[in-house]
Amino acid sequence: DAGVTQTPRHEVAEKGQTIILKCEPVSGHNDLFWYRQTKIQGLELLSYFRSKSLMEDGGAFKDRFKAEMLNSSFSTLKIQPTEPKDSAVYLCASSTAYAEQFFGPGTRLTVL
Amino acid sequence: TQTVSQSDAHVTVFEGDSVELRCNYSYGGSIYLSWYIQHHGHGLQFLLKYYSGNPVVQGVNGFEAEFSKSDSSFHLRKASVHWSDSAVYFCAVGGNTGANTGKLTFGHGTILRVHP
Repeated sequence: DAGVTQTPRHEVAEKGQTIILKCEPVSGHNDLFWYRQTKIQGLELLSYFRSKSLMEDGGAFKDRFKAEMLNSSFSTLKIQPTEPKDSAVYLCASSTAYAEQFFGPGTRLTVL
Repeated sequence: TQTVSQSDAHVTVFEGDSVELRCNYSYGGSIYLSWYIQHHGHGLQFLLKYYSGNPVVQGVNGFEAEFSKSDSSFHLRKASVHWSDSAVYFCAVGGNTGANTGKLTFGHGTILRVHP
């Protein structure tokens, strides 16, 4: 079975650019999560979908971060406009309800 | 508000040693507790979970964890570590009710370094 797929694995952006990160969850999983991982803040939840419905939109991340799930097998995370402080690893995970989360390998974003 | 505290940022042991990675949590409600492992350059992988029943749960690769309600703890243990166990270990608490249903709150992680 395919795990969670994330593309690209690495992204370099100039300040002010728009970037879109992609995620394909495990087939049959209803829950999808986007996290940001940094050394200082650790793992922070950005967005959470259940059966394609947005359950959590990330609070402090709302203004420039937008996650979408147009179908059950594909999700995107748009950052617009990017800022240097957005440099981090972005992780996507999926699960069935209350079960363990399966994580993708992450996208390492560097904003210059 | 759920919080997870992993008091040790770094733990260093030798191959064959036993190890305990500590996790304490605070949460008001029905919860489940998990441990995940992250090798360098990879995403997190599930190790084990406690929801109810026997407070000692077994996971993959010889790991086990023990839940203690009185101590609000869920410490991870392994009797004999291998150099390949070197990784970052995350404790997580998930809620089963209300706005926290389905979400995990992660600790900051403990870096385990195993010397050969």
